[in-house]
Amino acid sequence: NAGVTQTPKFRILKIGQSMTLQCTQDMNHNYMYWYRQDPGMGLKLIYYSVGAGITDKGEVPNGYNVSRSTTEDFPLRLELAAPSQTSVYFCASSYGTGPGDQYFGPGTRLLVL
Amino acid sequence: DAKTTQPPSMDCAEGRAANLPCNHSTISGNEYVYWYRQIHSQGPQYIIHGLKNNETNEMASLIITEDRKSSTLILPHATLRDTAVYYCIVRGRTTDSWGKLQFGAGTQVVVTP
Repeated sequence: NAGVTQTPKFRILKIGQSMTLQCTQDMNHNYMYWYRQDPGMGLKLIYYSVGAGITDKGEVPNGYNVSRSTTEDFPLRLELAAPSQTSVYFCASSYGTGPGDQYFGPGTRLLVL
Repeated sequence: DAKTTQPPSMDCAEGRAANLPCNHSTISGNEYVYWYRQIHSQGPQYIIHGLKNNETNEMASLIITEDRKSSTLILPHATLRDTAVYYCIVRGRTTDSWGKLQFGAGTQVVVTP
């Protein structure tokens, strides 16, 4: 199993541009999540999904959108990028039938200039 | 979910046991204690979790006090590769909170030769 994969690894955006961060898992997990981590800080939850077609907001959803059309994929969309969205973005997935552990991807480093 | 308190940093000699404390005095009866770690620039990695009994796996041991207000993660024989930020997280097991891990600042552990 590849686990959780994320693309791209690194991206520079100009203010106002848009992009989609890709996340795919091959473990057949129901739950998927997007976090962001600012320098020296812990992770903050942006959005999560409990299954295909179901998504919900986390702690810091403003400026982002998500969709979950399949079990495997959970893309994160940034519209009108702002410097405040400069961060490292982590995708994660977990089992959905109990307090299982989350598996994280390697992260996408985003710089908005 | 209950909040946790961890020391900001600690050092440990290679080959020695590393004991990482965590206070969670407001934990409720159905909340689990989770430990994750994050090696520099990588996604967080699940270590162990427990409810009220002590737990052990191939990575670490988790000791939870009888009143459940604090816990200790033990890395039995620390290696240089254990240098990381360690996060103690308390999480409920209701459907609404299963996935939402709330990361604090964690403890930066540095293992020295």
